[in-house]
Amino acid sequence: KNQVEQSPQSLIILEGKNCTLQCNYTVSPFSNLRWYKQDTGRGPVSLTIMTFSENTKSNGRYTATLDADTKQSSLHITASQLSDSASYICVVSSNLNYGGATNKLIFGTGTLLAVQP
Amino acid sequence: DARVTQTPRHKVTEMGQEVTMRCQPILGHNTVFWYRQTMMQGLELLAYFRNRAPLDDSGMPKDRFSAEMPDATLATLKIQPSEPRDSAVYFCASQRGADNEQFFGPGTRLTVL
Repeated sequence: KNQVEQSPQSLIILEGKNCTLQCNYTVSPFSNLRWYKQDTGRGPVSLTIMTFSENTKSNGRYTATLDADTKQSSLHITASQLSDSASYICVVSSNLNYGGATNKLIFGTGTLLAVQP
Repeated sequence: DARVTQTPRHKVTEMGQEVTMRCQPILGHNTVFWYRQTMMQGLELLAYFRNRAPLDDSGMPKDRFSAEMPDATLATLKIQPSEPRDSAVYFCASQRGADNEQFFGPGTRLTVL
């Protein structure tokens, strides 16, 4: 069964600290893995997209890693800020020839991050 | 600043009423998605369109939900009749092509009493 699991479910850290969020998936065939940030009351915003051959990708203070062999990804946030408080969603795209036209996205349930002053 | 827009942002209605949500995808994006998000289920894909043609609506309750794209700049999601269990945030997203970055709208928060 195609699944994306994220941990922890929620996390509280102090401003300025680093943190790492985890994503494990059992999706096959694999096309790419995406991390989204969703602020409260807003739609998800893409942080990174990684293909099979990419091990790491950065977007400012966000660094995502991908191990396609173990089917694991992580999102590392450096020097956290209050504005990093959000839900972080891991999404895996599967090139199933889904519907014959586009890829199927399998969503994790997210990690809720709270950054406190 | 290109973005996906959705209307209304909030909707409160009574059980049995018809609800219509609208989405304007980013100009040039030919694939449009409708999602529903609840605390319990997270993000669920309801339906998507490519070049205005519906390609998959298996995530939608067919008896009450319908999705259309009257033209390339407008996608609609209709619920008739609405039920309390339909209360959720409904997101529209658009992308160019088959497997590129998706851009989400701000969502419509629906409450069915």
